[in-house]
Amino acid sequence: GAVVSQHPSWVICKSGTSVKIECRSLDFQATTMFWYRQFPKQSLMLMATSNEGSKATYEQGVEKDKFLINHASLTLSTLTVTSAHPEDSSFYICSAAQNTEAFFGQGTRLTVV
Amino acid sequence: DAKTTQPPSMDCAEGRAANLPCNHSTISGNEYVYWYRQIHSQGPQYIIHGLKNNETNEMASLIITEDRKSSTLILPHATLRDTAVYYCIVRVLFSGSSGGSNYKLTFGKGTLLTVNP
Repeated sequence: GAVVSQHPSWVICKSGTSVKIECRSLDFQATTMFWYRQFPKQSLMLMATSNEGSKATYEQGVEKDKFLINHASLTLSTLTVTSAHPEDSSFYICSAAQNTEAFFGQGTRLTVV
Repeated sequence: DAKTTQPPSMDCAEGRAANLPCNHSTISGNEYVYWYRQIHSQGPQYIIHGLKNNETNEMASLIITEDRKSSTLILPHATLRDTAVYYCIVRVLFSGSSGGSNYKLTFGKGTLLTVNP
């Protein structure tokens, strides 16, 4: 299957700083990418849908100014958590969609201290 | 997307078939049934999908009822490595065209399958 690379796999940052997470589709062009957040023992919660070259569509309750999404090319989308706080600590997962299938990155464990 | 209902947990003995049910009684005619699984602390993994015919690949089989209101994912010979949360999702296809789609891919709570030695 297609490969989606997410980087970094884990990050620890200080409260108030910003963190950027990259999601790359390595062997296909993804017109749509999805960003999720997952808390322990819970399901994936969709944060936003990102289409190449256009603004991301955020789910209700997700602050677009806090979670900045850029989808500048067909192979790269980034999620920036701005002014991170401990409550932003979570597992963040991206997904890249190609025709009939969606492929997922390995996830990024963010810990804000 | 149509809502799906799955049992929260199931157990299976190693080497035996694991049958995971999913109800999707409000599925629309153009919605496909997809199955993903998530092993602890990893991203979800695609397993299989189908529209109305039964499907089989190297990982699993998908049985969809004739009225398409429910389906069953079958892992024919479960191993310990198949312990994971299995998600059943129904959705339309992505547009696949330049400019993308405003389509959402949302997850329910899934079924935690535990394969026991």
